[in-house]
Amino acid sequence: DAKTTQPNSMESNEEEPVHLPCNHSTISGTDYIHWYRQLPSQGPEYVIHGLTSNVNNRMASLAIAEDRKSSTLILHRATLRDAAVYYCILRDGLRRASGSRLTFGEGTQLTVNP
Amino acid sequence: AAGVIQSPRHLIKEKRETATLKCYPIPRHDTVYWYQQGPGQDPQFLISFYEKMQSDKGSIPDRFSAQQFSDYHSELNMSSLELGDSALYFCASRGAMKRDEQFFGPGTRLTVL
Repeated sequence: DAKTTQPNSMESNEEEPVHLPCNHSTISGTDYIHWYRQLPSQGPEYVIHGLTSNVNNRMASLAIAEDRKSSTLILHRATLRDAAVYYCILRDGLRRASGSRLTFGEGTQLTVNP
Repeated sequence: AAGVIQSPRHLIKEKRETATLKCYPIPRHDTVYWYQQGPGQDPQFLISFYEKMQSDKGSIPDRFSAQQFSDYHSELNMSSLELGDSALYFCASRGAMKRDEQFFGPGTRLTVL
């Protein structure tokens, strides 16, 4: 399975944008890039996903490099409630059964300062 | 909106006892996943079910078994509990409308003494 690499931790100030990077140099052509986050004492929560094109939703934006070997999750205005562990996960779109499992790596602990 | 329900939320057991964790997926969701998160660790996939059939199996010990019932709820049965089984157990569900998104429950915290 392709592996992702994220910084262990990042800090941001409230109401400022946050760019969370993820490297996935061995990504295959059928791998989707998913982002989940886990707030303290809660289950993981879906944030966004994409394949090749940049994606936007109400929570965040996902910028995918042209060669797909890296991606960046963008929180446009961080709030204190965004403090969480953010996971970048690759999911093989061809493996219908086993491909739907989420393989969590070591995510990025985001701290948001007031 | 309805969310994934897990019960119990907390469970304390002794070594070698058995435990049953229950998961009630979001209505009309057809896929259920189980994940284990040890203290200070990241969630690890255990097993999943699609339309009441096991669809995928991860690093689930032989002492554990699971099934999905006709009403789509799922149960994770754990026997001969060990201290290392102490963890948060999350259930997630997925529906036909949003195939790329898993919705997680609040988790069951299992403590084995």
